[in-house]
Amino acid sequence: GENVEQHPSTLSVQEGDSAVIKCTYSDSASNYFPWYKQELGKGPQLIIDIRSNVGEKKDQRIAVTLNKTAKHFSLHITETQPEDSAVYFCAATRGGSARQLTFGSGTQLTVLP
Amino acid sequence: SAVISQKPSRDICQRGTSLTIQCQVDSQVTMMFWYRQQPGQSLTLIATANQGSEATYESGFVIDKFPISRPNLTFSTLTVSNMSPEDSSIYLCSVGTGVDSNQPQHFGDGTRLSIL
Repeated sequence: GENVEQHPSTLSVQEGDSAVIKCTYSDSASNYFPWYKQELGKGPQLIIDIRSNVGEKKDQRIAVTLNKTAKHFSLHITETQPEDSAVYFCAATRGGSARQLTFGSGTQLTVLP
Repeated sequence: SAVISQKPSRDICQRGTSLTIQCQVDSQVTMMFWYRQQPGQSLTLIATANQGSEATYESGFVIDKFPISRPNLTFSTLTVSNMSPEDSSIYLCSVGTGVDSNQPQHFGDGTRLSIL
């Protein structure tokens, strides 16, 4: 089955700096890669996703890149703000997005004011 | 996106008892899933809740321990049976919206379960 590895496990940045979180996946048939943000006491919230026919996607301060050959994808957050502090999870699935997701281990992002 | 409500939001239970968690969605959805998130850990899929038929369980999860119902396209329940302290976790319901499998998956806020 699919295996998703996520790094780093913790990340601290100064407010205004950029943050990058990286994930690798094992199943070359995976074709959908969402990123979730989980705040304390809440469920995971989808923040951005990318499909395997696209190399990069951007939504305001958040961007995701995908390298299918190397089987890795990354989340980029620019101009970080304290409200970006949360746990971020990457995930992967084959056969479309409404299928079983395999999650990475999570990254605790702390944005220091 | 769909509004997903889980009940209860949290509970403290005695070992050996069972608890049923409800997941209600404000619109019809094609796919419903149940995940477990152990303290400080990532999410692990328990099962896919199939409307009108038995749930599909992932390796390591069995129906006797985690019976699931999905009577219609907006509602599902997960029961955690014969609980032990190792079952202390957050249990999350997620849904895939629309008829197109390429619609994103969204999560409820979860049920925080502690077993004494």
